[in-house]
Amino acid sequence: SQKIEQNSEALNIQEGKTATLTCNYTNYSPAYLQWYRQDPGRGPVFLLLIRENEKEKRKERLKVTFDTTLKQSLFHITASQPADSATYLCALPYGNKLVFGAGTILRVKS
Amino acid sequence: DAGVIQSPRHEVTEMGQEVTLRCKPISGHNSLFWYRQTMMRGLELLIYFNNNVPIDDSGMPEDRFSAKMPNASFSTLKIQPSEPRDSAVYFCASSFGLAGDYEQYFGPGTRLTVT
Repeated sequence: SQKIEQNSEALNIQEGKTATLTCNYTNYSPAYLQWYRQDPGRGPVFLLLIRENEKEKRKERLKVTFDTTLKQSLFHITASQPADSATYLCALPYGNKLVFGAGTILRVKS
Repeated sequence: DAGVIQSPRHEVTEMGQEVTLRCKPISGHNSLFWYRQTMMRGLELLIYFNNNVPIDDSGMPEDRFSAKMPNASFSTLKIQPSEPRDSAVYFCASSFGLAGDYEQYFGPGTRLTVT
């Protein structure tokens, strides 16, 4: 069956460092992958979509890579700030649906 | 645009009672999704609509759950009768299309507690 794995443990980093979050998947052949941010008490917010023919995509301090051979996407936040603290979810298409990973909690300490 | 609107934001009810959650999608979006989020199971898709028509309700846990979309600007998710295990945050989301390459816009969620 399809499976999406994200770091189960929270990622704690120091302000100014680069945060790297991982999304691994099995039994999927996604043509694209999405990343969302979720703050406590709020709904997820879309951040980036990357397609299988795009190795890398950037948006301001965010960078996403997509390796269909490794079946992995990496999500980077450069020059991280305490305001980046949140849960980050990756999502893969399955038919007409989006299936979400469990998310990784990121804590950026000043 | 006000974004996706959900009501109520919090609902506390007793086991056996009927619960109705409401959602107003973003104007112009033709797809609507209902999700449930718990610590144990994460974010799960319950049902989704396209052009007001239910497309896939395979995620609805039991017959106690039902959803309707009578028009493009309103949808409801009903649980009857409610049980303590239904306690979760329920999100409604909308998008311009069904395919997974459309971003989804989520509402603030309804936190349901069934005692």
